[in-house]
Amino acid sequence: GQQVMQIPQYQHVQEGEDFTTYCNSSTTLSNIQWYKQRPGGHPVFLIQLVKSGEVKKQKRLTFQFGEAKKNSSLHITATQTTDVGTYFCAGRWGNQFYFGTGTSLTVIP
Amino acid sequence: AAGVIQSPRHLIKEKRETATLKCYPIPRHDTVYWYQQGPGQDPQFLISFYEKMQSDKGSIPDRFSAQQFSDYHSELNMSSLELGDSALYFCASSNRAGTDTQYFGPGTRLTVL
Repeated sequence: GQQVMQIPQYQHVQEGEDFTTYCNSSTTLSNIQWYKQRPGGHPVFLIQLVKSGEVKKQKRLTFQFGEAKKNSSLHITATQTTDVGTYFCAGRWGNQFYFGTGTSLTVIP
Repeated sequence: AAGVIQSPRHLIKEKRETATLKCYPIPRHDTVYWYQQGPGQDPQFLISFYEKMQSDKGSIPDRFSAQQFSDYHSELNMSSLELGDSALYFCASSNRAGTDTQYFGPGTRLTVL
């Protein structure tokens, strides 16, 4: 079946450091979406990438979609304590979304 | 703005009992997705509906069934509950004809004893 892997599984950073999570799919994706889930909360949509090689920015967050549409990354510059949570990518095949394994980010003040 | 509503928020059942989870999508959204999220796990796609018709099936057990009604709300029916069914169940809705962004509800926490 479809698989979406994310690395790292956990990341602890000092406040102000940068953070990157990588998402890799076993097959080519129609699009990829990124979500953030706070502890005890529900996934909240961050962004959707559709085009090969697409790069999108949201303030301190930079999202990239690979040329082959099989991988993606999320980079956070100068992390803040409000960035704490688990970041999931979700790849779309047909009408289904497969979530990545998630990266849990801890920011140490 | 209206969000996805799920009920109940918490549910405790015994093994072999049945449970029904309800989801009310955002108005004018045409697609509903159901996900199961175990502790420390990623959301697993169960099933989706588009315009009240089943669209796709994921890892939904045969003991589970779901449907979407004429008012677009959806129900996930779970029978012969097992301990391993204890999880957070999320419903998400989207407007497939639009941005296709999935908006998640707050989830139903099911505990099977």
